[in-house]
This record gives sequence, C-alpha cells and structure tokens, in this order.
Amino acid sequence: AQRVTQPEKLLSVFKGAPVELKCNYSYSGSPELFWYVQYSRQRLQLLLRHISRESIKGFTADLNKGETSFHLKKPFAQEEDSAMYYCALSKETSGSRLTFGEGTQLTVNP
Amino acid sequence: SQTIHQWPATLVQPVGSPLSLECTVEGTSNPNLYWYRQAAGRGLQLLFYSVGIGQISSEVPQNLSASRPQDRQFILSSKKLLLSDSGFYLCAADKSSYNEQFFGPGTRLTVL
Repeated sequence: AQRVTQPEKLLSVFKGAPVELKCNYSYSGSPELFWYVQYSRQRLQLLLRHISRESIKGFTADLNKGETSFHLKKPFAQEEDSAMYYCALSKETSGSRLTFGEGTQLTVNP
Repeated sequence: SQTIHQWPATLVQPVGSPLSLECTVEGTSNPNLYWYRQAAGRGLQLLFYSVGIGQISSEVPQNLSASRPQDRQFILSSKKLLLSDSGFYLCAADKSSYNEQFFGPGTRLTVL
C-alpha cells in the first residue's frame, strides 16, 4: 500500500532563512504528488502539485523518483508562511483519492 | 470553484449518543466526496469516499458510517459514539479530471 511520510512534525526557522519541508513516499507505480497547506483559521487548500512544475508563493517542490521524495522548499521564508503543511499522494489508478502524510507545522519567527 | 459547507462547526456529545454531521457542496455537480478525520500528529485519515449518489466506500473499519442521499450532500453518522470518535472531521470534494480537493471548514467533535 502507498504511504507518505513527513519526518518532521514541527519545524521552526527565522524570517529570511531557507526552509525545506521533507516528504518521502512509498508507492510502486507513478504517483501524483501534492502539497496542501492550512493557515491559521483557514481551510486546508492546495498549494502546489508536481505535474504543474510551478512556484506558488515562492515555494517549489521537485519529485525525485530515485529517492522517492517530494520536498517543499523556499529560499527565503516569510512570517506568513507559518502554517501546517501536508504532503499527499494520488495513485494513478485510483483517480483522485489522496493519501496524506502526518503534516509538518512550520513556524517562521521574526 | 467549489464551496464546501459543514455543520455544525463544533459538537459535544456524550458517549453512546448518535451522531450526524452534514456536508453540502456548491459550485459543481457530480463531485467525488470525502470524509476525513484530522488528528494531531496523525495527519489526515480518509474515512469514506463517494463517487455518486448512494455509492459509499469505507477506507477503515470503524464505528462510523456515511451516506449520500443527494448529489451534493454527504452525511457522516454514528448510532453510538465512542470516546475515540473525538476529533476534527473534514469534508472534501473534487472532480476526477482536476484532482484538486476542496475542503470544508471542519467539525470539531468532542465525545465525553
């Protein structure tokens, strides 16, 4: 069965520092990977997906099939980036059912 | 885009009492619908999903059930709540071709 692992439950950085939220997955097929974000008092929402190869709010994520990773990165963290981040995987055979990781709470300190 | 409504926002129920959480969707037709439970340190656990009216699939065995009486209505129920049913419940919807899930505001359930 597929699995998504986010090894860090809590991550704290200072404003302007680089940030990397780790995500590793296990799945034998060709998955679709996502990052979802939940800001304080807001709904969980999609941040980005690997097939789009886009940068959202300065964040990027590259799918590394060799290392089965999909780490989320931002070169200069901002205080408004503080939120809960979830990595998620969708199997190509099951449509859009998602398997989520445990989540990482990012705090960006001033 | 889709808008997901959930109610109630918070609920405190005694052990052994029944439960009914409702989710409705606006802005789309024939969506896939999902119920998740969000627990601190455990991420989002998919409980049920539905691809159409009356079609429910359960991901994990539990004390809960789900129903979809209308295209854009999804209900989470229990006949007798357990303490372990406490948690934050999220409803989500998507269209298969887009693969982005939209989430509701959630319901905080406390079973005493």
